[in-house]
Amino acid sequence: KAGVTQTPRYLIKTRGQQVTLSCSPISGHRSVSWYQQTPGQGLQFLFEYFSETQRNKGNFPGRFSGRQFSNSRSEMNVSTLELGDSALYLCASSPSQGRGNEQYFGPGTRLTVT
Amino acid sequence: QKEVEQNSGPLSVPEGAIASLNCTYSDRGSQSFFWYRQYSGKSPELIMFIYSNGDKEDGRFTAQLNKASQYVSLLIRDSQPSDSATYLCAVRGMKGGSYIPTFGRGTSLIVHP
Repeated sequence: KAGVTQTPRYLIKTRGQQVTLSCSPISGHRSVSWYQQTPGQGLQFLFEYFSETQRNKGNFPGRFSGRQFSNSRSEMNVSTLELGDSALYLCASSPSQGRGNEQYFGPGTRLTVT
Repeated sequence: QKEVEQNSGPLSVPEGAIASLNCTYSDRGSQSFFWYRQYSGKSPELIMFIYSNGDKEDGRFTAQLNKASQYVSLLIRDSQPSDSATYLCAVRGMKGGSYIPTFGRGTSLIVHP
């Protein structure tokens, strides 16, 4: 099976702009989660989608939003970019929700905000 | 207190030795536990997961879970230089009606020839 794919892999934006990142999960996986990884804060959970519904959200401001489509593909949007949003954004897919929810990560999108 | 704590390391072991990585967590309601390996510049890769107290073995890797003491560990037998990476512990518990993973900051492992 093909792994999790994320596009674009690299992105440079300026403060105040908005950005949309895309994630295609492993075929058959219905759950998609998004994470932000920075050297200072480590890996932090943004939100999780299952069957097109946001199941939970981490402690990030409303500028961070997402959605999931019927084919399980997901997008994440960040509006009004700030310098502190520079990070590696990782998408992870899982077969389902619940306790047995081992996640498989994509290669990430490296976002640089200038 | 951080929810998931790991010693940042680096933990340095000789090739062929056993590497022992530890993780403690604060939420007693946590139900599933995961170990990921992350090479520099790459995304995390799932090594194994464990739900029940005791040991779980997969090849050279053994995960150990002790819910009473709130720790989970990963043993790597016959360590190889290719095992040199950062190992992330993730703990998943029920929050807001869903299972949310919280990651530790990771332990850097160096296996020297």
